[in-house]
Amino acid sequence: GENVEQHPSTLSVQEGDSAVIKCTYSDSASNYFPWYKQELGKGPQLIIDIRSNVGEKKDQRIAVTLNKTAKHFSLHITETQPEDSAVYFCAAPGKLQFGAGTQVVVTP
Amino acid sequence: NAGVTQTPKFRILKIGQSMTLQCTQDMNHNYMYWYRQDPGMGLKLIYYSVGAGITDKGEVPNGYNVSRSTTEDFPLRLELAAPSQTSVYFCASSRQGSYEQYFGPGTRLTVT
Repeated sequence: GENVEQHPSTLSVQEGDSAVIKCTYSDSASNYFPWYKQELGKGPQLIIDIRSNVGEKKDQRIAVTLNKTAKHFSLHITETQPEDSAVYFCAAPGKLQFGAGTQVVVTP
Repeated sequence: NAGVTQTPKFRILKIGQSMTLQCTQDMNHNYMYWYRQDPGMGLKLIYYSVGAGITDKGEVPNGYNVSRSTTEDFPLRLELAAPSQTSVYFCASSRQGSYEQYFGPGTRLTVT
């Protein structure tokens, strides 16, 4: 079955700096790679996703990159702001599995 | 649209008690899911459903039951609550053909 490993588990960044979270997966047949953001006391919400036919996708300050050869995909947040503080999850939705999550803390 | 709604928001149960966590979605999604999230951990799939009348086990189904009599509702039943079931429970839904899941706000359950 699919295994999804996510690193790091916690990430503390200064406001304005960049943050990068990485997920590795095992199923080479995977073709969809989403990232969810969970704010305190709320359910996760999809923030960006990518399909296997592209290598990168951007949406304002966030981007996702995919390396199918190495079987990993990453979330990039640039110019971080306090409202970016949350837990971020990657997922392997074909197997309904989520990564363990990354707690991002943006300090002013 | 209200999206995915869950009740109750919080609940404290004694060991051995039973309860039903309610989940409703108004997006006409075929697929619905139940996850549990333990502190500092990711989401573990308990049960899922691909349509009314159809349910299947996820990664951690023991101690839980589900039913899906309508498209909108997907209740989760705990029959004999145990301390190991202390967790935050999330319901989610997705439309057929899409992997994007829409999550409810969660139910925080404590079993003492």
